[in-house]
Parts: sequence; structure tokens; C-alpha cells
Amino acid sequence: GESVGLHLPTLSVQEGDNSIINCAYSNSASDYFIWYKQESGKGPQFIIDIRSNMDKRQGQRVTVLLNKTVKHLSLQIAATQPGDSAVYFCAENIEGNTGKLIFGQGTTLQVKP
Amino acid sequence: NAGVMQNPRHLVRRRGQEARLRCSPMKGHSHVYWYRQLPEEGLKFMVYLQKENIIDESGMPKERFSAEFPKEGPSILRIQQVVRGDSAAYFCASSRGRGNTEAFFGQGTRLTVV
Repeated sequence: GESVGLHLPTLSVQEGDNSIINCAYSNSASDYFIWYKQESGKGPQFIIDIRSNMDKRQGQRVTVLLNKTVKHLSLQIAATQPGDSAVYFCAENIEGNTGKLIFGQGTTLQVKP
Repeated sequence: NAGVMQNPRHLVRRRGQEARLRCSPMKGHSHVYWYRQLPEEGLKFMVYLQKENIIDESGMPKERFSAEFPKEGPSILRIQQVVRGDSAAYFCASSRGRGNTEAFFGQGTRLTVV
């Protein structure tokens, strides 16, 4: 069954504020996690990834936090912009597995100007 | 450097017809994955292929669906005798290696069965 889930289906934030999107996973064997952004009518776009030997990784305006103790993953977007409005998915992969990703349901991020 | 190319972008088929979806991976990528996405849902894994080999088809329906990735040419996802429940967006992704490597997605093919 699905092992990745999201706490909030929709997140509405004000432009300029920080956004935090959460994800829970249940497969303790998962050791590679990815956040994707999907705009309407488009394919998922890679944002940032993290391996299980890390608990934090930063990119440009984005930070991913991994808490293996409670099997929780979060994506933080700093200074959210209207262009960040999209559906965000977390996905997990098990090393040595075939490479297939297990996706969560997605969180819709709405940025209010 | 072109990304993952999928065609057609939109496909309309009548019930009972066949649908053929094509995916050309990124240059240098030899691993292809197909996913299906229903409206308001996440992507569901269908099949993982390398050139001329099906590695993992655990997400493929047992009947009517097949996939291939020939030595030359794009990967093909084939759906025979389509039914309305097959209506979805089908995404292809490619990567350089097996697992734990970044997978890039195409823009998808939106299949509508009427």
C-alpha cells in the first residue's frame, strides 16, 4: 500500500511568507526522498532530494528536513512567491530497489498576493 | 539538452480502441519509468524498464497493459481495448542509474477514453 502521506491537502500562504509542507512515510527501509513540484498540466519537476544519512539539505530558497525517528519529511520554501503555487509531492525510494518512487497524495500550495 | 519527451500530449480514444504512448528519455539515460496519475491524486508506479528489459512491472495491470523499451527508439506504453477507467495522465521519467538517482519527468500524455 501507499507509505507516503501528507498532513494537509491545501496550504494557503501570503506572498513573502515562508511555507512548510509536510510528509509522513511509513516504510522505514526508505532511504532516499525527493520533493517534486507539479504545475497544472505539467509533469513533476524535481525540487530537492535527501538521503537518509542526512537530516537537512538546503537548496535555493528551499530546505528539506528529514526526521527518521518519526518518519517525517518537510519542505520549507522561503519567501514564497506566486510562482511557487503548485501541487507538491514527496516521494520515497528504497536503495537497491528498482528505482521506482512511491508518491504521496500531494499538497496544493496557494500563494496569495 | 532536451528533456524527457512524451507524445502525444493529449490522446482521445473510444472504448475498445488501443492507445500507444511514447516516451523518449533524456540523452544519456537508459532507465525509464512509467507512472499513472488520476485527477487529484499522486502518481502511481506502473513499470520500470531498461533497454530491451522489463525490470519491474509490479504496478502494471495484469491485462491489456504492456510496455517496451526497444534497443532503438522510444519506450512505448500500450493499452489495449481501453475503458473509461483508463482515462488519466501517464507520465514517463528517466534516470541515469538504478534507484537513488534523480529522475526527470516528461510533460505527460493525457488519455481520455470516450
